[in-house]
Parts: sequence; C-alpha cells; structure tokens
Amino acid sequence: EADIYQTPRYLVIGTGKKITLECSQTMGHDKMYWYQQDPGMELHLIHYSYGVNSTEKGDLSSESTVSRIRTEHFPLTLESARPSHTSQYLCASSENRGQGEDNYFGYTFGSGTRLTVV
Amino acid sequence: QKEVEQNSGPLSVPEGAIASLNCTYSDRGSQSFFWYRQYSGKSPELIMFIYSNGDKEDGRFTAQLNKASQYVSLLIRDSQPSDSATYLCAVKSGEANQAGTALIFGKGTTLSVSS
Repeated sequence: EADIYQTPRYLVIGTGKKITLECSQTMGHDKMYWYQQDPGMELHLIHYSYGVNSTEKGDLSSESTVSRIRTEHFPLTLESARPSHTSQYLCASSENRGQGEDNYFGYTFGSGTRLTVV
Repeated sequence: QKEVEQNSGPLSVPEGAIASLNCTYSDRGSQSFFWYRQYSGKSPELIMFIYSNGDKEDGRFTAQLNKASQYVSLLIRDSQPSDSATYLCAVKSGEANQAGTALIFGKGTTLSVSS
C-alpha cells in the first residue's frame, strides 16, 4: 500500500545533539514538505522540495536543513538541538495528476515525529 | 503575509446535529481549499477539497466556497462522537510558481460531539 513514513515516532534527546528525522514515501510524489506544529497552533511550513536536488526554506525560520537526493526520501536534520526545537514535525507529499486545479489533491501526511529536547 | 483564520472553538454539538465550521482567508488569488481532520496526537487526514464556488457534498460532509467573500465552510450532518477532532482549513495560493503548491493552514477548530 502506498504511504508516507516518518521515523522515529517519538524522540527525546539532549541539547546540542545532532538529529535526523526521516521521511519516505512510496507514491512517487515529486513534491514533499516539512511542517512544524505546536499544540493548538497552525502548521508552519519549514522546508519544501519539488524534486530531486530541489529544496527551499518555508515561512518559518528554522535552524534545520533538508536534502532530496532521491525522490522518495526527504530527511530533516538539526545540527544542534535546543529546547526551542521541541515540537511535532510533520512530513507530507503531494502531486499534480494533470493540468489545472482539478488535478491537485492536497497532501498526504506521515504520522509525525514528536521531538523533545531536554 | 497570507493568512487563514478559524475560530479555535471548542464547538460543541449534540449527536445527530449539524456542525458548521468556518474559515476565512486573506489571499484573494487562492485557488484550492482543503479541510483536514486531526485527532489528538495524530497527523491530519484530508476529508474534503473544493475549487469552485458553491457546494460540494461527500457523504455527511459538505464544503461551501464563496470566493467573493473569501470564505469557506464545512458542514457535518448527523454528527457522531467519532467526529470529535480538530478540523484544519488549508488554502493553496494562486501563484503559478512552484511555491504556490504549499498549503497554508489555519489553527483549526476543535469540535466536540456529545452522545
């Protein structure tokens, strides 16, 4: 079954550690996104990619980086984790199946990674 | 700054009633509109999308779009306790470039359906 996978599901890590959150999708979608969501708050776009070797920063200032070496894989890395990075991180993918708005179907989300930095 | 506004709630309705969720957006060029349902501790799941003015129905759900008023709503008929969740409104801008495919989300409205 086509899907989008995030690991780990939960992560508790100490300040200053380097961490990578994994995201993989089996749907062949070109477009992938990382969002950050705090409780009761909206999702904030932190990174997105429109294909291999294409990455852009989103609206939310972030100290993370991403890479897109393969279509199916879009990992997010924090070089030095801080307590302010504590949040839920959601990965999503999307596709256009043809021309026009009727062929855009929104996102499929992964299960998310809940990160706690202590 | 493009914004999507929702009343955070909670919106409380009895089982069997109609729940009405509302959303306004600031970007007049927005093209596509989505409703996601998010259960506590889970990731959002798509329940409805709408592109054209008017109503779109899918089972117990009806999405309504009024582009002139920059307003989109979601009606849930015959509400069930299992509908209790946070409902996120999301908007795709009309930008023709690649950045236009990223969705902008509201904070969500929490719906509570009592049995």
